[in-house]
Amino acid sequence: AQTVTQSQPEMSVQEAETVTLSCTYDTSESDYYLFWYKQPPSRQMILVIRQEAYKQQNATENRFSVNFQKAAKSFSLKISDSQLGDAAMYFCAYSGSGGSNYKLTFGKGTLLTVNP
Amino acid sequence: SQTIHQWPATLVQPVGSPLSLECTVEGTSNPNLYWYRQAAGRGLQLLFYSVGIGQISSEVPQNLSASRPQDRQFILSSKKLLLSDSGFYLCAWSPGLAGIYQETQYFGPGTRLLVL
Repeated sequence: AQTVTQSQPEMSVQEAETVTLSCTYDTSESDYYLFWYKQPPSRQMILVIRQEAYKQQNATENRFSVNFQKAAKSFSLKISDSQLGDAAMYFCAYSGSGGSNYKLTFGKGTLLTVNP
Repeated sequence: SQTIHQWPATLVQPVGSPLSLECTVEGTSNPNLYWYRQAAGRGLQLLFYSVGIGQISSEVPQNLSASRPQDRQFILSSKKLLLSDSGFYLCAWSPGLAGIYQETQYFGPGTRLLVL
């Protein structure tokens, strides 16, 4: 079974600074997808970024980018120019490929605090 | 654009009472649908998923059941609630077989359930 590990229960960053959240995963599959979701105090899960394992290029979405290291099974999230609205719980998630359904396996999350 | 709704937003129920949580999706057809539970301070656990009307797969044995009476409607039920059923319940959808990015899930606002 696939597992996702987020080794940082909590992180903090100063406003306008850069922070990196870590995620490692374990899988025997060669094709899969990785995601970062943000859960603000409202608790709705918001998709931040997705990465396809067969693509070597790291995904980016505005101030959010990932460092995908397939051989190391590492998938970190970098938030640049941190804003107060970035404060939230961040979850790393894994999905296999193929078939008619895709089940997400989540890490336990990293709570990010942004200090003004 | 697609939207996903959940209701109620908050629910307080006595032990032994029945439960019905509803999730509906707009703006898409034949979605895959998912129910997750998030206990306090923990990650998400997949409870059920559905790839079509009347097709339900259960991920964990439990006191809950799910039904999909219509293409874009997903219901989570229980005949008799337990204290351990308390938590935050999230519904999610992803594009079905005819869609792109089938592996990407989008979440609803969630329902807070407290069983007393």
